[in-house]
Amino acid sequence: DAGVIQSPRHEVTEMGQEVTLRCKPISGHDYLFWYRQTMMRGLELLIYFNNNVPIDDSGMPEDRFSAKMPNASFSTLKIQPSEPRDSAVYFCASSYSGSLNQPQHFGDGTRLSIL
Amino acid sequence: LAKTTQPISMDSYEGQEVNITCSHNNIATNDYITWYQQFPSQGPRFIIQGYKTKVTNEVASLFIPADRKSSTLSLPRVSLSDTAVYYCLVSYSSASKIIFGSGTRLSIRP
Repeated sequence: DAGVIQSPRHEVTEMGQEVTLRCKPISGHDYLFWYRQTMMRGLELLIYFNNNVPIDDSGMPEDRFSAKMPNASFSTLKIQPSEPRDSAVYFCASSYSGSLNQPQHFGDGTRLSIL
Repeated sequence: LAKTTQPISMDSYEGQEVNITCSHNNIATNDYITWYQQFPSQGPRFIIQGYKTKVTNEVASLFIPADRKSSTLSLPRVSLSDTAVYYCLVSYSSASKIIFGSGTRLSIRP
């Protein structure tokens, strides 16, 4: 299996631009998670989906952030408009169905820099 | 929901046993504790998981006391390649919430 695939690996853009991060979970996994990691705040859960339905989005910072999962094999995290404080590494993870207790498999992340 | 708390950093030497503790109160009987390892420029990687007593696999052990207010990841005979950041994660099943600890940066010296 190819594992969780994220794109792009790196993104550098100017403040105010729209940013779209993409994730392909492992086939057969029913849970998908989006995280943000910074030195100051560590690893933060932004949102997670179960069977393509958002379950908990309490970690989404503000209305500038949105996430979608149109089908079982694809999800996006969008920031519009982007701000320098959004600079971080964004991880996507997926896990097998059954419960929230299942181990998560992480992608290699997208390193986002907002200038 | 409780906050998970870990030491910020730990140092040890090759060949030693390392124990990293995570504190997590208000944990229900069916809530799991999972530990992950993260190297620079990579996503976290699953190490071990459990919800009570002791679990052991080929790389680590996880000890959970009866009161379940903490858990300890035990790495036997560490090597330089175990230098990484270790995170505990608590899955609060009834609340459909998961919470990561802040991570422990483990440094192993020759």
